Amino acid sequence: SAVISQKPSRDICQRGTSLTIQCQVDSQVTMMFWYRQQPGQSLTLIATANQGSEATYESGFVIDKFPISRPNLTFSTLTVSNMSPEDSSIYLCSVGGLQETQYFGPGTRLLVL
Amino acid sequence: GQQLNQSPQSMFIQEGEDVSMNCTSSSIFNTWLWYKQDPGEGPVLLIALYKAGELTSNGRLTAQFGITRKDSFLNISASIPSDVGIYFCAGLYNNNDMRFGAGTRLTVKP
Repeated sequence: SAVISQKPSRDICQRGTSLTIQCQVDSQVTMMFWYRQQPGQSLTLIATANQGSEATYESGFVIDKFPISRPNLTFSTLTVSNMSPEDSSIYLCSVGGLQETQYFGPGTRLLVL
Repeated sequence: GQQLNQSPQSMFIQEGEDVSMNCTSSSIFNTWLWYKQDPGEGPVLLIALYKAGELTSNGRLTAQFGITRKDSFLNISASIPSDVGIYFCAGLYNNNDMRFGAGTRLTVKP
């Protein structure tokens, strides 16, 4: 499976600010995804990061709040914009593997004050 | 959309006991995956199931893809303290559209 890293691993931010999270993979992958895991909850898909085109967002998530970049097949960023305390979560990137599996990065723990 | 019901929500067992957890859905899935998440980490893939009726093992872990394609279970035999964590089922419908269960939090008492 691919080795996935995320930066930052954690951050504490003030409300109204924005944070960009990076996801780096050690090999080229076609599919990259961004998830949110709210405290004590399961994982919810935010969007699919498409290389060379706009991300595909799930219901309830919009580009203005969660802009995503995917400049190449090994890298993606997720920005959490105009943050509020409700955005405090773990943000995870994942990559598609063989036979429809997905492998996850270590996550970015965000606390918004 | 496809919703997954995972149970139990939590389990407290003695070391050495066997564990069973399951996921059910009203919708059909093409793939079932089981993940484990340790505190402060991302989920790690344990087992992937691709065919209805498929039974797959990974060490002390065994998982099955239900024949109706609407359910899956995960068994852990002879539990050890490092089995502690949250176990998630995930179902794939198509094109990597993956849905997660709410998770089963496992505590193993030495």
